[in-house]
Amino acid sequence: GAVVSQHPSRVICKSGTSVKIECRSLDFQATTMFWYRQFPKQSLMLMATSNEGSKATYEQGVEKDKFLINHASLTLSTLTVTSAHPEDSSFYICSASSGLGPLHFGNGTRLTVT
Amino acid sequence: QKEVEQNSGPLSVPEGAIASLNCTYSDRGSQSFFWYRQYSGKSPELIMSIYSNGDKEDGRFTAQLNKASQYVSLLIRDSQPSDSATYLCAVNSGGGADGLTFGKGTHLIIQP
Repeated sequence: GAVVSQHPSRVICKSGTSVKIECRSLDFQATTMFWYRQFPKQSLMLMATSNEGSKATYEQGVEKDKFLINHASLTLSTLTVTSAHPEDSSFYICSASSGLGPLHFGNGTRLTVT
Repeated sequence: QKEVEQNSGPLSVPEGAIASLNCTYSDRGSQSFFWYRQYSGKSPELIMSIYSNGDKEDGRFTAQLNKASQYVSLLIRDSQPSDSATYLCAVNSGGGADGLTFGKGTHLIIQP
């Protein structure tokens, strides 16, 4: 089945630093990748949609200058949390679509900002 | 605004019984419907997908779709303690180019 690899699985960083999260589709070309965030006991909230070679589309309330998304190829999208603050601590999950069928999720990244 | 509604639970079911999870959606044009299972601290895992009215069975899982009523359900037969998790209903109105709209999830507890 379709595999989406997300790295790192866990990261701890100091307030004010930036963190990059990678999302790769391993056995299919992902025309679209999605970034979700999930706070404890909450549902997944879509942050942004990225299409290869174009700018990401951000959901309302998500700061595009803080959450930088790059989708440089059909198999790789990155999310960079810039100038991270403790309130950015969350579970970040990417998913990928080939345009057909269900989304497949990466294993998620647990970000803790101290 | 596309909405997907689920009862947050917790839904408590004795081991060996049938667990029934329900979901309604607002967008009548929705075409694809999915159930994901999410264990605490883990990423969602696809359990079932269904695209047409009726029932779809896969092992102990049965998904049911009624587009006229805008209703989709998931039945888990012979429930096991390992089935205890949060079950997310997700709906896609397009061909995959749009992000899924998720319900808030139903927390299922299987009591040994």
